[in-house]
Amino acid sequence: NAGVTQTPKFRILKIGQSMTLQCTQDMNHNYMYWYRQDPGMGLKLIYYSVGAGITDKGEVPNGYNVSRSTTEDFPLRLELAAPSQTSVYFCASSSSIAGASEQFFGPGTRLTVL
Amino acid sequence: GQNIDQPTEMTATEGAIVQINCTYQTSGFNGLFWYQQHAGEAPTFLSYNVLDGLEEKGRFSSFLSRSKGYSYLLLKELQMKDSASYLCAVMDSNYQLIWGAGTKLIIKP
Repeated sequence: NAGVTQTPKFRILKIGQSMTLQCTQDMNHNYMYWYRQDPGMGLKLIYYSVGAGITDKGEVPNGYNVSRSTTEDFPLRLELAAPSQTSVYFCASSSSIAGASEQFFGPGTRLTVL
Repeated sequence: GQNIDQPTEMTATEGAIVQINCTYQTSGFNGLFWYQQHAGEAPTFLSYNVLDGLEEKGRFSSFLSRSKGYSYLLLKELQMKDSASYLCAVMDSNYQLIWGAGTKLIIKP
């Protein structure tokens, strides 16, 4: 099992450009998440999904969009990139949302917006 | 507001014991998680507490006091590979994880 995979690993964008961060998991998990991690701060939830076709906003959704057409894939779309979106982005998945259900993380995408 | 507090950085000696504290104020409580994150890598799960008391897992133990909004992660027989950031996260009433900023643990020989 590959677990959670993310592409690309690194990306530099110019202000105003758009891009899609890809996330795929092969564990048949219903729950998937997108986080951003900024230096000196905790992970912040951007969007999450409880199953194919269902998505919901997290704590910091502005400037982002997601879709969940299949159980495996959960892409994150950045429209009109801004320097404030410079961050490390992690995708995660879990089999459940309650109890001792650990989240499995992808390796991350390091995004710089200049 | 919701808040998780952890020390920013700690230093310990190889072979010793270190305790990393976490205090929290959240809207609801559905469990507390500890994750380990090596520099440049993804977080990986260490432990979960939902009831008061100590959970032991090998060299790592985690303690929870819900009445005090307090947890700690205890690492014994420290090894150089334990140099990493340790993230405390609380699952709130909406079943979303609220994350602390992490404690960077530096192990010296």
